[in-house]
Amino acid sequence: GAGVSQSPSNKVTEKGKDVELRCDPISGHTALYWYRQSLGQGLEFLIYFQGNSAPDKSGLPSDRFSAERTGGSVSTLTIQRTQQEDSAVYLCASSLEGWNEQFFGPGTRLTVL
Amino acid sequence: GENVEQHPSTLSVQEGDSAVIKCTYSDSASNYFPWYKQELGKGPQLIIDIRSNVGEKKDQRIAVTLNKTAKHFSLHITETQPEDSAVYFCAATSNSGYSTLTFGKGTMLLVSP
Repeated sequence: GAGVSQSPSNKVTEKGKDVELRCDPISGHTALYWYRQSLGQGLEFLIYFQGNSAPDKSGLPSDRFSAERTGGSVSTLTIQRTQQEDSAVYLCASSLEGWNEQFFGPGTRLTVL
Repeated sequence: GENVEQHPSTLSVQEGDSAVIKCTYSDSASNYFPWYKQELGKGPQLIIDIRSNVGEKKDQRIAVTLNKTAKHFSLHITETQPEDSAVYFCAATSNSGYSTLTFGKGTMLLVSP
């Protein structure tokens, strides 16, 4: 079956602009995660959605970052007033409820000029 | 919160040699330890995982060992091949209600023919 998909694969934007990154999880997966991967660094947790529960936003670095998950499926990560330090690869993952195994998408490479 | 340290940051081996990557974790409640392989331009892929009720798990050329007392776990790759070249990440979670993973910073493995 289809894996986790993300779009766009690459995004170049100017400082101060808003961007939206999209994630389509594996069908039937109720848990969805967003991570940020900076060059040469590990994966930094951003936000976690599980079913209809309130999302865990504890990893969001500032109030410029927000995420939604509509209908328990597709998720959008929004970064407002982008800064150069926001440049990174943004990864989405999904998993079955109650399972630890996370399946990752290919990521969106964001470059803020 | 959980803190995962991973060593070495880079590892170069000759084809056919073994490779070992080590991780330590801080939260004694952690009970699930996956390893991910990330190839250039792709998202991380789960290659093997271990739960705290076992000390070792093998899958063909890959094995993971866990020492709960010392709070460390290791990835062992035998008979390395050039296609094993990638960045490897360890992670840990306590599965206390949800399964947000804490990742190490990664090890770049280079296998030379």
